[in-house]
Amino acid sequence: AQSVTQPDIHITVSEGASLELRCNYSYGATPYLFWYVQSPGQGLQLLLKYFSGDTLVQGIKGFEAEFKRSQSSFNLRKPSVHWSDAAEYFCAVGDGGSQGNLIFGKGTKLSVKP
Amino acid sequence: DTGVSQDPRHKITKRGQNVTFRCDPISEHNRLYWYRQTLGQGPEFLTYFQNEAQLEKSRLLSDRFSAERPKGSFSTLEIQRTEQGDSAMYLCASSLGVRGLFFGSGTQLSVL
Repeated sequence: AQSVTQPDIHITVSEGASLELRCNYSYGATPYLFWYVQSPGQGLQLLLKYFSGDTLVQGIKGFEAEFKRSQSSFNLRKPSVHWSDAAEYFCAVGDGGSQGNLIFGKGTKLSVKP
Repeated sequence: DTGVSQDPRHKITKRGQNVTFRCDPISEHNRLYWYRQTLGQGPEFLTYFQNEAQLEKSRLLSDRFSAERPKGSFSTLEIQRTEQGDSAMYLCASSLGVRGLFFGSGTQLSVL
């Protein structure tokens, strides 16, 4: 069965510093991979997605992620974090089958220090 | 606004009462999903519709839960005889095909 692991529950970075959020997945075939962001009390907003092709994908708000098949990883990065990036980030894997359902990790909460 | 809309945003109810939530998906999306999210966890899949057909239900969806999507447009999620363990954020999402889900802002349910 598919699964997603986000090893870091909470990360704190200084504003302007670079960011990397880790995501590892378990899936037998080529997965569909997603990163979502959630602000408190809100729904989830899609940051970026990977289906095939170039393994470095660009998303909204200056985020990017790199798919590494050999490491079963899909880490999210941003070169310079802004205070407004403070939120919870979820990695998800889709099976690409007829459902289109997503399996989510438990999330990483990002705090930004001034 | 053409995003996914959920109503109400918050619901407080007493244990044993029935509650119903509504979701209006993005108009051209044929797929609709319900997820549940508890504090500190990622969203967990509950059920999925393609047009008006409910194609899959999670084991999380007990007999007290029922979802409908009449005419393949809006959807409702009803919880009967609510329990304190039902307290959670209920998220609706829609998609066209399998290429990513678009979520609403959710309904936060508190069962007292």
